Amino acid sequence: EAGVAQSPRYKIIEKRQSVAFWCNPISGHATLYWYQQILGQGPKLLIQFQNNGVVDDSQLPKDRFSAERLKGVDSTLKIQPAKLEDSAVYLCASSIFKRVIAPTMPNEQFFGPGTRLTVL
Amino acid sequence: KQEVTQIPAALSVPEGENLVLNCSFTDSAIYNLQWFRQDPGKGLTSLLLIQSSQREQTSGRLNASLDKSSGRSTLYIAASQPGDSATYLCAVRSQTGANNLFFGTGTRLTVIP
Repeated sequence: EAGVAQSPRYKIIEKRQSVAFWCNPISGHATLYWYQQILGQGPKLLIQFQNNGVVDDSQLPKDRFSAERLKGVDSTLKIQPAKLEDSAVYLCASSIFKRVIAPTMPNEQFFGPGTRLTVL
Repeated sequence: KQEVTQIPAALSVPEGENLVLNCSFTDSAIYNLQWFRQDPGKGLTSLLLIQSSQREQTSGRLNASLDKSSGRSTLYIAASQPGDSATYLCAVRSQTGANNLFFGTGTRLTVIP
């Protein structure tokens, strides 16, 4: 089974430029997540999609970040304009949607290799 | 808001030693806790998942324990090998929010041959 695919793997841009990242989740996974991982920190959730709808984007800096998943499969994350503090690894993850009936339902997330962004 | 802390931030041990990584979380209302491994330049690989009703999980040389009431988990690695060198991340799946994972800052492990 193919895993979560992300591209590009690396990107270097200057501040105030724009950048876009692409994610292809595991086939059949209805839920897709974008995380930001700053060097030395754990991943932080930016946005969660359920099919093509947004479930949680409370930590997405909406003045410069946007994300879409128009057909409920692939997703793109865009930063416009980029700031120095946006330098990080951007991780995409996906999971099968299971309605949480009992508190012990796993809903395991599978992660892609990430895109390392450097803003100069 | 859930906060997850991992201690130590970095650890170096000689090959063959047993070691323990620690994770603590502030809100005990969790569905489960998961330990991940992250190699440089790569994504996260899930190692062990402990449900909120469980106290431990084992996989090979790895054993993870969970004390939900005190907000603590440990990852025990037996007979460490150089290939175990990586960053280990702890994450809790909070009951507030749809399947959201809250991560710790990780422990960077180096096993010296």
